[in-house]
Amino acid sequence: GESVGLHLPTLSVQEGDNSIINCAYSNSASDYFIWYKQESGKGPQFIIDIRSNMDKRQGQRVTVLLNKTVKHLSLQIAATQPGDSAVYFCAEKGGTALIFGKGTTLSVSS
Amino acid sequence: DTAVSQTPKYLVTQMGNDKSIKCEQNLGHDTMYWYKQDSKKFLKIMFSYNNKELIINETVPNRFSPKSPDKAHLNLHINSLELGDSAVYFCASSQDVRTDYGYTFGSGTRLTVV
Repeated sequence: GESVGLHLPTLSVQEGDNSIINCAYSNSASDYFIWYKQESGKGPQFIIDIRSNMDKRQGQRVTVLLNKTVKHLSLQIAATQPGDSAVYFCAEKGGTALIFGKGTTLSVSS
Repeated sequence: DTAVSQTPKYLVTQMGNDKSIKCEQNLGHDTMYWYKQDSKKFLKIMFSYNNKELIINETVPNRFSPKSPDKAHLNLHINSLELGDSAVYFCASSQDVRTDYGYTFGSGTRLTVV
């Protein structure tokens, strides 16, 4: 089946910097997208979602951008903190289940 | 108050054994899922049940059999375990299969087959 991929497997930033994690999806029929955060030894945790009728959505310190023209999704984290260190996944839903990308490991150094 | 709980958290077993992983959700959700996460962290859907009815059965060996006694429970039974079954298995739930809401995941079961 079609899958969602991420551009970079790892991203290292300094505390206080802004982080941008990118994701390219392939199913143009997908209409719902989610970013998840997975800390070591835990399950994926919902961060923020966006529907295909939007191109931007903001949460607390996080912003998701959706570009349907190039099928690109990004997660921006403002003022990155050490507690943001985790693996980040984008996921798309075009049918009956979420399809996950391969994940980007974000490392934040203080 | 754990929303999605899985047991056991760790499972070490020998090849050829049969084992089960249990999952329960107290969110009142209609739909439950099993995902497998491999050593490279890739998450792949295995099964989905909506109100006890199987709706997704991805290309998974017949040795894997999900069972949903009620909509709050989705267990995974694995027969004749193989080395390649070693992975982290996550249970998840969502409000229902039709609406677009995020899934709530359990904390995972790390299965090691030796």
